[in-house]
Amino acid sequence: SYVLTQPPSVSVAPGQTARITCGGNNIGSQSVHWYQQKPGQAPVLVVYGDSDRPSGIPERFSGSNSGNTATLTISRVEAGDEADYSCQVWESSSDQVVFGGGTKLTVL
Amino acid sequence: QLQLQESGPGLVKASQTLSLTCSVSGTSVSNYYWTWIRQSPGKGLEWIGFVYYTGITNYAPSLKSRVTISVDTSRNQLSLKLTSLTAADTAVYFCARLTAGAGCDSWGRGTLVTVSS
Repeated sequence: SYVLTQPPSVSVAPGQTARITCGGNNIGSQSVHWYQQKPGQAPVLVVYGDSDRPSGIPERFSGSNSGNTATLTISRVEAGDEADYSCQVWESSSDQVVFGGGTKLTVL
Repeated sequence: QLQLQESGPGLVKASQTLSLTCSVSGTSVSNYYWTWIRQSPGKGLEWIGFVYYTGITNYAPSLKSRVTISVDTSRNQLSLKLTSLTAADTAVYFCARLTAGAGCDSWGRGTLVTVSS
């Protein structure tokens, strides 16, 4: 089955840029979606289709996807961005939905 | 505005069957895929399966033998049944709308299910 690999944690100072990676075999051929989840809350879609943002999501959130790695980039990080972030694909060959293990973003 | 609301027992006994319902408002369940996802305490998101409004389903291989997901277009609901429960099934269960190009774009708030021995 298809596996998505994320680092367990990423730390960044306020105002800096956070980059969270999602690795998968030829993930560049898949459409990658990213979710933000704060404690006790449901996940919220922050990037879809590799690099598009739903309405209401700040421009500070962006995404890219190429080769074997997709990346969620959060610019000018704020304390309120501290959360768990998960990547997800709908793997075409198996028709399965797959989530990465999640990355905890800590704002120092 | 699309809203999803999970409902069901918060506590079930081991070996029994879990039944959850997700009520959808703000749109028809028709013409969309719908999915169930769970999250064990302190763990990441785990996909359980999806259903299309026509009844087509697909399930995670690790749960396929125990899970059934269905949709009721007349009630605008989807449901989840998970059999032979163990403590490992203790989790928050979410329903969500699933789209090919935009992932899970709307989620319910989730419902905590605890499996007791």
